[in-house]
Amino acid sequence: DADVTQTPRNRITKTGKRIMLECSQTKGHDRMYWYRQDPGLGLRLIYYSFDVKDINKGEISDGYSVSRQAQAKFSLSLESAIPNQTALYFCATSDVRVRGEQFFGPGTRLTVL
Amino acid sequence: AQSVTQLDSQVPVFEEAPVELRCNYSSSVSVYLFWYVQYPNQGLQLLLKYLSGSTLVESINGFEAEFNKSQTSFHLRKPSVHISDTAEYFCAVSENNAGNMLTFGGGTRLMVKP
Repeated sequence: DADVTQTPRNRITKTGKRIMLECSQTKGHDRMYWYRQDPGLGLRLIYYSFDVKDINKGEISDGYSVSRQAQAKFSLSLESAIPNQTALYFCATSDVRVRGEQFFGPGTRLTVL
Repeated sequence: AQSVTQLDSQVPVFEEAPVELRCNYSSSVSVYLFWYVQYPNQGLQLLLKYLSGSTLVESINGFEAEFNKSQTSFHLRKPSVHISDTAEYFCAVSENNAGNMLTFGGGTRLMVKP
């Protein structure tokens, strides 16, 4: 079984709809991240969480919110989706003891019409 | 704040040819450097990393990268590529006071042709 899972894998929605992307991990890591990937821009950090009670904004948090329901679960919400939020979204985890290595989920492809 | 520039968005190459994917970074403090690979329809996975010590680091599948502090570069090379190396490659940097936080470059799509 995959260590970092994301649901759904693909989602098409309409402008103005509320969307939740979910991430679960079995790696036992405290740190979790949400990124979006756009062609030519690489990965940009949306939010990150160092433990259940510690949530921080990343580079591009506007229009997004997150919830860390448990050590293993980190959800990303788009309260009112807009077309420029069409992207590939990745969840990642890391072990505080291991410099720089993050473990990524398979991604969620979101299309906002 | 640090930044990462990958100079080529796409690199087409024939199978068994050598390849170099370029990465330059900027930072005001010491950094750690990484290359991640993304195969089609998958998430990213770590390919290799430089933390300290020897400036030349290698991966298990024949890639290598060399940290050049004076040129602030961390270029990725492979002497002979395979079709299976077709993927997108991301260079990333972590400042030594930033925990696990990574800043990624824009990515380079390596396209290996038969």
